[in-house]
Amino acid sequence: QQKVQQSPESLSVPEGGMASLNCTSSDRNFQYFWWYRQHSGEGPKALMSIFSDGDKKEGRFTAHLNKASLHVSLHIRDSQPSDSALYFCAASEPRGSNAKLTFGKGTKLSVKS
Amino acid sequence: ETAVFQTPNYHVTQVGNEVSFNCKQTLGHDTMYWYKQDSKKLLKIMFSYNNKQLIVNETVPRRFSPQSSDKAHLNLRIKSVEPEDSAVYLCASSSGTAETLYFGSGTRLTVL
Repeated sequence: QQKVQQSPESLSVPEGGMASLNCTSSDRNFQYFWWYRQHSGEGPKALMSIFSDGDKKEGRFTAHLNKASLHVSLHIRDSQPSDSALYFCAASEPRGSNAKLTFGKGTKLSVKS
Repeated sequence: ETAVFQTPNYHVTQVGNEVSFNCKQTLGHDTMYWYKQDSKKLLKIMFSYNNKQLIVNETVPRRFSPQSSDKAHLNLRIKSVEPEDSAVYLCASSSGTAETLYFGSGTRLTVL
């Protein structure tokens, strides 16, 4: 069973639009969440982490975490063609020897100009 | 700015051969990892290495073995490759467990 589930599998938004990506964990031990972005031919790169309930904003990117429902979302405002990439949600237990990141299957975002 | 370096970028080989991939990080991190990314882009952890302690994902076949000379280097050796080993192998590092991972650009392995 996939412990980190992402939706949608793919998403297309117009340039300047808002992209919304979702992620849900089925493991209540997962308390820390990250969003990673991977452009074609490159390794994934961390966009932001979120460990507390509520919103976290970094530039055009806003993450929202609801620990009660183990749901985290990523919203990209004013989407640009350069935002076209594969977006991964990753989750982890709090720090400890067993704390390793588990990745979802990814959401492919296409921003059309 | 790339701080996790992987070589080679690509490797094509025949079934049964042995291959080795190199990874070096210049971030001063204590923990390094190998991930496998398959053709569907799924990311699966293979190994993590922290303070000379190796943690192996139990689903990894025994023909895979990590090799570390110091905390800045973690190489991957595959003895007798199989067609299902064709994938992108990604090296990553972090300052500790449950910390942000920094990935290299990957080594794409094709097994004919």
